[in-house]
Amino acid sequence: DVQMTQSPSTLSASVGDRVTISCRASQNVWSSLAWHQQKPQKAPKLLISDASNLESGVPSRFSGSASGTEFTLTISSLQPEDFATYYCQQYGTFPVTFGQGTKLEIK
Amino acid sequence: EVQLLESGGGLVQPGGSLRLSCAASGFSLGDYSMTWVRQAPGKGLEWVSTILPNAVTTHYGDSVKGRFTISRDNSKNTLYLEMNSLRADDTAVYYCAKSLRRYGSGPHDDAFDIWGQGTMVTVSS
Repeated sequence: DVQMTQSPSTLSASVGDRVTISCRASQNVWSSLAWHQQKPQKAPKLLISDASNLESGVPSRFSGSASGTEFTLTISSLQPEDFATYYCQQYGTFPVTFGQGTKLEIK
Repeated sequence: EVQLLESGGGLVQPGGSLRLSCAASGFSLGDYSMTWVRQAPGKGLEWVSTILPNAVTTHYGDSVKGRFTISRDNSKNTLYLEMNSLRADDTAVYYCAKSLRRYGSGPHDDAFDIWGQGTMVTVSS
């Protein structure tokens, strides 16, 4: 199975900060990479698909990029509602696998 | 509104069985691959099983293979997960999830764009 390694596991930041979360795949998954946001006691929410395609209704402060097997989620200016846990998901190679999650906390 | 609603979770003893349901609304279930994903308390997301629109082709994670059975009734717009020989490490919130793109119009596996609210399964004596 493809291992997805996210970093950091925890990130402390302030409202207005620019933050980046990384996800590295253990093998080529092409651009088949999604980012999900999960708030406590809630279901995950799809933010980005195909590495950089922003889903409808997701604020433009979220963006995704890719370079080989390295993927990045960037939030340009943190808002209070962005504090949550973020998961990457690869779907380029069966079975789909998830990163272990990055918890974004208020500093 | 596109929506998924799970039901059927609860407390079950080790070795017991449970059947989860996921009712879809706002879209035609038969056009999409559907997946179950679980999340143990305080842990990350784990893929459990996927079923293609034909209701014949199914895939399972190693941890549930031989114990869980995924199925679907496209006419009822409902997805199921039959869970047998349950173990303590099956304790989790179980989510059903819809593939982003209609089957055949995108990658074989896909991102999950709609998730249900989750149903809790607790395996304990």
